[in-house]
Amino acid sequence: EVQLVESGGGLVQPGRSLKLSCAASGFTFSDYAMAWVRQAPKKGLEWVATIIYDGSSTYYRDSVKGRFTISRDNAKSTLYLQMDSLRSEDTATYYCARLGYYSADGWFAYWGQGTLVTVSS
Amino acid sequence: DTVLTQSPALAVSPGERVTISCRASESVSTGMHWYQQKPGQQPKLLIYGASNLESGVPARFSGSGSGTDFTLTIDPVEADDTATYFCQQSWNDPTFGGGTKLELK
Repeated sequence: EVQLVESGGGLVQPGRSLKLSCAASGFTFSDYAMAWVRQAPKKGLEWVATIIYDGSSTYYRDSVKGRFTISRDNAKSTLYLQMDSLRSEDTATYYCARLGYYSADGWFAYWGQGTLVTVSS
Repeated sequence: DTVLTQSPALAVSPGERVTISCRASESVSTGMHWYQQKPGQQPKLLIYGASNLESGVPARFSGSGSGTDFTLTIDPVEADDTATYFCQQSWNDPTFGGGTKLELK
């Protein structure tokens, strides 16, 4: 059974940093691209970043470029999102998602339960 | 960004057939996927590649379309289908539709 378990969310002040983690199990982690997708309270879904299967390529939405960094440790089957210079508009539940295959394009086949990040003073 | 437009809400009776539409601002070929999200839960993949049923998803769900116009059909609708349904395109950087909230009468 595929499982994705996020951690690291919480309350943080504007301008500060936070690092999210996603522990994966139930599949060969190194075979699949992974992504972060967020959802502001009572709002829709918004793609944040994707990393391909071996970590050699990463992709970001414009509003987080230069502030967020997606990375992975295939030996630990873990995905990360380093979030710097946080803004109030980054407040959301952050979901870890596994893509359908190794490359960055495609569908989000499995989702974690999400971790809430609140940016507020 | 490719903008995806969905109707905000629908209300149907159990046993009826419902179609949920998604229109893209530019052609995405068949790079369209559908998700179901129930309150307090994470999204769940239903359909990928416009018309392919994800494993384990009931055959009551089906998808169609290509280019800019896509449809998710549920036939027949059951009480458990109460949820918000999102479309997502993968032709460009991923974008999602605003979601269609399905309520049962």
